[in-house]
Formats: sequence, structure tokens, C-alpha cells
Amino acid sequence: GDSVTQMEGPVTLSEEAFLTINCTYTATGYPSLFWYVQYPGEGLQLLLKATKADDKGSNKGFEATYRKETTSFHLEKGSVQVSDSAVYFCALSSWNTGNQFYFGTGTSLTVIP
Amino acid sequence: GAVVSQHPSRVICKSGTSVKIECRSLDFQATTMFWYRQFPKQSLMLMATSNEGSKATYEQGVEKDKFLINHASLTLSTLTVTSAHPEDSSFYICSARVPPEQFFGPGTRLTVL
Repeated sequence: GDSVTQMEGPVTLSEEAFLTINCTYTATGYPSLFWYVQYPGEGLQLLLKATKADDKGSNKGFEATYRKETTSFHLEKGSVQVSDSAVYFCALSSWNTGNQFYFGTGTSLTVIP
Repeated sequence: GAVVSQHPSRVICKSGTSVKIECRSLDFQATTMFWYRQFPKQSLMLMATSNEGSKATYEQGVEKDKFLINHASLTLSTLTVTSAHPEDSSFYICSARVPPEQFFGPGTRLTVL
């Protein structure tokens, strides 16, 4: 079945460091891919998405490219800030599974000044 | 994007009482809503899919008599935790589908004493 495998955390970075959180997926169809962010005590917010191969989603300095050949959707940011400290979830949704969402386990990011 | 609200944001109740959590789509109609449970530092666990005007579909292992779901209108789904016990303490999150995306509510922190 469809699934998402996400880099285990926690991740601790200094401010202005480069961030990569790896995400790979398994899907029988052609899924849409998402990154969600969860700040402490809050629900999930959509960070970015890509709906087809080679699409690049971007938002707030974060980027992820839908790579069909490597079945990956790695999240990157060139210079993290303290305010980026949160838990990041990779997810996929596929029409052939009724658009059900499959989430990765989440990666906790802490950015220190 | 679409906005989903949840009420209450946090609730503390005594063991044996029932608690109702509301999930509303504020600016769109949602024929399908989802209820998730999140344990500390873990990913989201899908509990059930709520369909307007019909019975909810529960995931394996989720007690439908304990977690009652009602989707009475296109903008409101409710989750009632019946006869709550301390092990039901958790963070409950609802979402509404606008294919291919899902929009999440801010979550409800339930603490059962």
C-alpha cells in the first residue's frame, strides 16, 4: 500500500544553517505530495505541495521537488530561523486510494540562536 | 486556503464523563471530514472518516461506540468521546478534504483526570 518514510529526528541546527529533511514515498498511482508543519500545541498547517513529477513546491523559504525517479520529496531551506522550530510531516494523497492521506512519522526541528 | 475550526481547543474532564469536540469548515462545504489522534511526539493516527449524512467509517482498532462521530451538515462534524478514561487523553485533530488537499483544524487537547 501507499506509505511515506521520513527522516527520523530530532534535528537541531544553529540559526542560518542549511536544512534538509528527507522524505521518500511508496505509491501505486501518481500521488500528490505535501509537507505540513506543526508548531507546538497547534494543528497542522500546509507548508507546500507538489501534484506531479518535477513540480517544485515552495513557501516561506522552504522548497521540495517531486522526484518520481527517486520517489522522493525532500524538504530544504537554505537558512533556518529560530521561528522554524516545529515538527514537519511529509504526506501523500492519491486518487486511487480515495485521496486518503498517508503521513510520515514527523521530524522535530529545533533551531538554536 | 480553506479554514477549519475546532472547539474547544482544550478540555479537562473527569473520568467517566463524555466530551464532544466540534469541527467546522468555515468557508466551504465538506462532505468528508477526518478525525485523527496524535500521541505526544508521534504522527497522526487516522481514527475515522466522517461522511455527511451517513455513518462514519472507522479505522481498525478504533471503538466506534466509544468515539461517536456525527456529520450532520456539510460544515459540521462532531466527535464525542463517551465515558472518557485517562488513556483517552490525547490531541485530537480534524480535517476536511478539498481534493487533493486536506485542511486541518487547530486541534483539541483532551485531558481526562
